[in-house]
Amino acid sequence: DQQVKQNSPSLSVQEGRISILNCDYTNSMFDYFLWYKKYPAEGPTFLISISSIKDKNEDGRFTVFLNKSAKHLSLHIVPSQPGDSAVYFCAAFLQGAQKLVFGQGTRLTINP
Amino acid sequence: DTEVTQTPKHLVMGMTNKKSLKCEQHMGHRAMYWYKQKAKKPPELMFVYSYEKLSINESVPSRFSPECPNSSLLNLHLHALQPEDSALYLCASSQWGSTNEKLFFGSGTQLSVL
Repeated sequence: DQQVKQNSPSLSVQEGRISILNCDYTNSMFDYFLWYKKYPAEGPTFLISISSIKDKNEDGRFTVFLNKSAKHLSLHIVPSQPGDSAVYFCAAFLQGAQKLVFGQGTRLTINP
Repeated sequence: DTEVTQTPKHLVMGMTNKKSLKCEQHMGHRAMYWYKQKAKKPPELMFVYSYEKLSINESVPSRFSPECPNSSLLNLHLHALQPEDSALYLCASSQWGSTNEKLFFGSGTQLSVL
């Protein structure tokens, strides 16, 4: 029962262009969503988050969009840089259960 | 200080060994977590401690035994592990009880069970 899904295991984008990573969830009780970036053999690093009461949050080159009716969120990175190459995890937080549930991850590769 | 420190970074152990993983944070967070991550899989929750008490155990086998000596420290005691327990073990911490709970992760311990 995968409550948070990232259907694209990998994505390749040219440097300078926009990267769009997608995430779907099934549990309408999730009240907070986060994106983490991860390099091999390291812990996930927090990137950006959004509350369920908002539809957009922006931080520099990173913007997260939330569509509650579609149970869908996306992370936009613009412009993409080589250092953005990593695995990106979408995660959803269930406050009542105090649990953070991760998606399967999307490996982003930025090509020069 | 926004760091979660985990030791050791790498650990190789036999199936009859007893070892411990350690985690430390000095952010004043009252919740600490253990996650397990296998290669090419997402992190999976194992245990949650809130205010030094075990609040969530995700049906983890008893060969994994967590301990929270104080609000800054979290240990994971390992005994009689199996080769399939080889994974990256991640510790995390958070404030606990906020509506916008953000988990901070350590770099993990890469565990190999022979």
